[in-house]
Amino acid sequence: GQQVMQIPQYQHVQEGEDFTTYCNSSTTLSNIQWYKQRPGGHPVFLIQLVKSGEVKKQKRLTFQFGEAKKNSSLHITATQTTDVGTYFCAGPEKDSNYQLIWGAGTKLIIKP
Amino acid sequence: DSGVTQTPKHLITATGQRVTLRCSPRSGDLSVYWYQQSLDQGLQFLIQYYNGEERAKGNILERFSAQQFPDLHSELNLSSLELGDSALYFCASSSGTNTGELFFGEGSRLTVL
Repeated sequence: GQQVMQIPQYQHVQEGEDFTTYCNSSTTLSNIQWYKQRPGGHPVFLIQLVKSGEVKKQKRLTFQFGEAKKNSSLHITATQTTDVGTYFCAGPEKDSNYQLIWGAGTKLIIKP
Repeated sequence: DSGVTQTPKHLITATGQRVTLRCSPRSGDLSVYWYQQSLDQGLQFLIQYYNGEERAKGNILERFSAQQFPDLHSELNLSSLELGDSALYFCASSSGTNTGELFFGEGSRLTVL
């Protein structure tokens, strides 16, 4: 079935270092969404990318959608403690478009 | 505050029991989604309703059922509970049928002893 693979599962960084998580879909996606879940919290929508090759920025966060619309990345520059959490990508199921297929998430951990 | 309300926030029960989780979507949202998240795991899609009708089904066990009422609130019923059902259950809502931005509630944490 359709899958969205997300890597890495965990990333440990020193505060101030950069962080990147990658999503790869087994099928072409009409769009891709990114969510952040803080520890003990609920997923919160960050952004949706729709166009091939699209790049969007939110302050220190840069989101990219691949040319083939099968992969995406989220890059955080100069991480801060407020960035801690798990970042999920999700794309619509190809045939139904009613549900999202979720990546497993990348957990960002700031080393003390 | 996402505008999605879930009750109860915490629930502890025994194996074999039945529980009902409740969700009130954001005002105006017609779609409700239920997700299960086991400890430190990803989000497992269970089921979606749109304006009272079931629209999509994920990996929902036969022991689980859900419905969406005319006032658009939704309930997830979990029966014959097993230890492995212990998890965080999230409800999310969106305005349309297709996969736009989801607004998640704070979740109901179920512990089965």
